[in-house]
Amino acid sequence: SQQGEEDPQALSIQEGENATMNCSYKTSINNLQWYRQNSGRGLVHLILIRSNEREKHSGRLRVTLDTSKKSSSLLITASRAADTASYFCATARGFTGGGNKLTFGTGTQLKVEL
Amino acid sequence: NAGVMQNPRHLVRRRGQEARLRCSPMKGHSHVYWYRQLPEEGLKFMVYLQKENIIDESGMPKERFSAEFPKEGPSILRIQQVVRGDSAAYFCASSRGTGGGNEQFFGPGTRLTVL
Repeated sequence: SQQGEEDPQALSIQEGENATMNCSYKTSINNLQWYRQNSGRGLVHLILIRSNEREKHSGRLRVTLDTSKKSSSLLITASRAADTASYFCATARGFTGGGNKLTFGTGTQLKVEL
Repeated sequence: NAGVMQNPRHLVRRRGQEARLRCSPMKGHSHVYWYRQLPEEGLKFMVYLQKENIIDESGMPKERFSAEFPKEGPSILRIQQVVRGDSAAYFCASSRGTGGGNEQFFGPGTRLTVL
């Protein structure tokens, strides 16, 4: 499997339900980031979790990181139709001299129906 | 503070022509990254640049592709003699770059179509 592989590939839920997406990776990381992409648009950064953190919250988002299993999950609570988008995890490894190389997964397509 | 700007948003080229994609990072950002996204796939890292320097180009095809980030002006991704397989969305991101946790801010992308 690829570095940063999301599961499931597609998810369809009703508005108000929670959506959980998982991400697995292979190599050591500095941090893991989740992004959202609306169809045909650029990426929006949602949340970053460092390798020494286990859980992080931001509004309706909750991210967990298990470095022993090399996996992360993104939970969106009380979903809304506007949450419909593709969600990508990206693992970050540092370059010598600064900066991060992001390796993206293949994404989860979330559809929230009214 | 304007975000990352990319132009053009859409670019159509015929096989064999050159494509030039431009990226202006956010104000105060000196690190630029280029990514390519094929249909129905995630983004793939291509190249990482700082002002006047290529730091890592491990994701860049060895031929026909080049990138620069001059002292003045935007970063340019240049594709010579385009082929149909180059059709993709090309995203640029920028960051402040210091430290290991700096967020990358993405531009809206340039969608390249090769006829």
